[in-house]
Amino acid sequence: GAVVSQHPSWVICKSGTSVKIECRSLDFQATTMFWYRQFPKQSLMLMATSNEGSKATYEQGVEKDKFLINHASLTLSTLTVTSAHPEDSSFYICSARWRGGSDTQYFGPGTRLTVL
Amino acid sequence: QQQVKQSPQSLIVQKGGIPIINCAYENTAFDYFPWYQQFPGKGPALLIAIRPDVSEKKEGRFTISFNKSAKQFSLHIMDSQPGDSATYFCAASRWSRLTFGEGTQLTVNP
Repeated sequence: GAVVSQHPSWVICKSGTSVKIECRSLDFQATTMFWYRQFPKQSLMLMATSNEGSKATYEQGVEKDKFLINHASLTLSTLTVTSAHPEDSSFYICSARWRGGSDTQYFGPGTRLTVL
Repeated sequence: QQQVKQSPQSLIVQKGGIPIINCAYENTAFDYFPWYQQFPGKGPALLIAIRPDVSEKKEGRFTISFNKSAKQFSLHIMDSQPGDSATYFCAASRWSRLTFGEGTQLTVNP
């Protein structure tokens, strides 16, 4: 149980275009989903916290107009990277917290974004 | 974000050895301390987690030792295997927001 999926697993896009990444909790309802970014050989950095039905909370330094997050249901959150640039190339990982209130976060497999 | 410092950056052990990874935190408001394992190109997988009211927790070959007064915690991997070769991250959580350590790249030689 507690499976989180992401789609796509990798994407290559041209500079200036927008890319949408989906995060789904497959076998549980997730009140809260989180989005992280990980550069090569580095740690995970929390970008934003997303609660179902409400606006996402962004970490300091993360541009909310560039990284649009939508959490429309208890099993789906999306991250849209708008007007992507090469410096946005990274590994984007989502996690989901079970509705039951546990602190445990279950992570998705990640999405590799390359902006040319 | 509050810092979580992790050491060593890399670690090489022989099969059967007991690698130990250490983390230290600053914010006493952290209330949940998980460890994650990550393979290249994959998302992190939860190994084991502990709360600050417990000094030790063991699950299978993985043990967390927690020292609340020193604000330190560590991961021990018993009888390590080549398949344990991966990057390990400690983390600390407050209000479910995770702050990760820098990561430790573990290599277990056959």
